[in-house]
Amino acid sequence: GENVEQHPSTLSVQEGDSAVIKCTYSDSASNYFPWYKQELGKRPQLIIDIRSNVGEKKDQRIAVTLNKTAKHFSLHITETQPEDSAVYFCAARGGSQGNLIFGKGTKLSVKP
Amino acid sequence: SQTIHQWPATLVQPVGSPLSLECTVEGTSNPNLYWYRQAAGRGLQLLFYSVGIGQISSEVPQNLSASRPQDRQFILSSKKLLLSDSGFYLCAWSQQGDTEAFFGQGTRLTVV
Repeated sequence: GENVEQHPSTLSVQEGDSAVIKCTYSDSASNYFPWYKQELGKRPQLIIDIRSNVGEKKDQRIAVTLNKTAKHFSLHITETQPEDSAVYFCAARGGSQGNLIFGKGTKLSVKP
Repeated sequence: SQTIHQWPATLVQPVGSPLSLECTVEGTSNPNLYWYRQAAGRGLQLLFYSVGIGQISSEVPQNLSASRPQDRQFILSSKKLLLSDSGFYLCAWSQQGDTEAFFGQGTRLTVV
């Protein structure tokens, strides 16, 4: 089955700096890669996603890149703000399967 | 619009007692349904997912089980809880195909 690895597990940046979180996946049939943000005590919420027919997608300060050959995808947050502090999860959905497998999460801290 | 309901929000149960967590989705039909567990406030571990009534796939062997008696109802059960079953349980749904998953509010289970 699908396996998703996420790095780093914790990330601390200064306000205004960029943050990058990287994920790899194992199932070459996976074709959907969402990113979720989870604030303390709350449910995860989608912030951006990318499908296998696209290499990059941007939404304001957030961008995601996908390298299908290498089976890795990354989240880029520019001009970080304290409210970006949260746990971020990457995920992958394999081929025809319904399962959605998550990475172990990255705790991002943005220092003012 | 679609909504997901998960209850209860918090639960304290003694070791050896049974468990039943219920999740229902409104405003859609034939959704994919998921149960995740989040221990220590970090990783999202997929426990079960279902692509249709009576179709349950188990990702991790454990003393938990899941059932889908109706199209938009997903139930997580245990006959005898263990201390290690404590955690934050999240139900989620998605449309069939490459679409995002929406999470319920979660149930914080403490086994004492």
